[in-house]
Amino acid sequence: QVQLQESGPGLVKPSQTLSLTCTVSGGSINSADYYWSWMRQPPGKGLEWIGYIYYSGSTYYNTSLKSRLTISVDTSKNQFSLKLSSVTAADTAVYFCARRTELLRRAFDIWGQGTMVTVSS
Amino acid sequence: EIVLTQSPGTLSLSPGERATLSCRASQSVGSSYLAWYQQKPGQAPRLLIYGASSRATGIPDRFSGSGSGTDFTLTITRLEPEDFAVYFCQQYFNFGVTFGPGTKVDIK
Repeated sequence: QVQLQESGPGLVKPSQTLSLTCTVSGGSINSADYYWSWMRQPPGKGLEWIGYIYYSGSTYYNTSLKSRLTISVDTSKNQFSLKLSSVTAADTAVYFCARRTELLRRAFDIWGQGTMVTVSS
Repeated sequence: EIVLTQSPGTLSLSPGERATLSCRASQSVGSSYLAWYQQKPGQAPRLLIYGASSRATGIPDRFSGSGSGTDFTLTITRLEPEDFAVYFCQQYFNFGVTFGPGTKVDIK
C-alpha cells in the first residue's frame, strides 16, 4: 500500500529556510487522482494546511504562508518537497505530508508519520 | 477563508456511551467536501469520514457523519477504549483547506 515518509533537518535557525522532502512509496506520484500536500501542527495545537502540488507541478498555497513558501515535485524520484523561508519560532511544528484524493471528495486519506521541526538558534 | 468551529472543546464520557461532536462552518461548504479525522498522541491524523457522511476504508460502523451547509456532526454510537482521542473536522473550498480546532474525547 502507499506510504509517505517525511525527511529533513529537525532544527533550523531563525531567518533560515526550512526544507523537507516527502517520499512516496508503494504507488506513483504521477496520478491524476491525487494532490500531494503539506500540513503542520504546532505542539499542543491544531492542524494547519500549508499547501499542495499536483504531479504536473501546479501548486496551491495557504495565503498566509504564500510569500515564504515553495512546494515542488520530482516525479523521477517519487518525491515532493517543501521550502519555507525566513522562519521564526512560530514555524516550530510537526510537519506532515499527506495525499489528497479526488476519489474521496478531496479528503486526505494517507499521511506520513510527521517530523518535528524546531526553529531555534 | 472558511473558519470551522468545533464543540465541545472536550467531551468526557465512559466506554459504551454515545459521543456527539459538532463542527460549524462560517459559510456553506456543501456536503461534498467535509471530512473528519481522529488523532491520537504522537500519531498522524486518520481519515474517518469524507463527503460529510461516507466512512473511509476500515472505519467501524459505530462512526457516522451527517450534515450539510454549515452544520456537521460526527457520532460515535458506543465508545470503545481506542476511540478516546482528538477529532478534527476539515473542509475544502475553492482550492483552500481549513481544519477545526478539534474536540478531545477523554475518559470520564
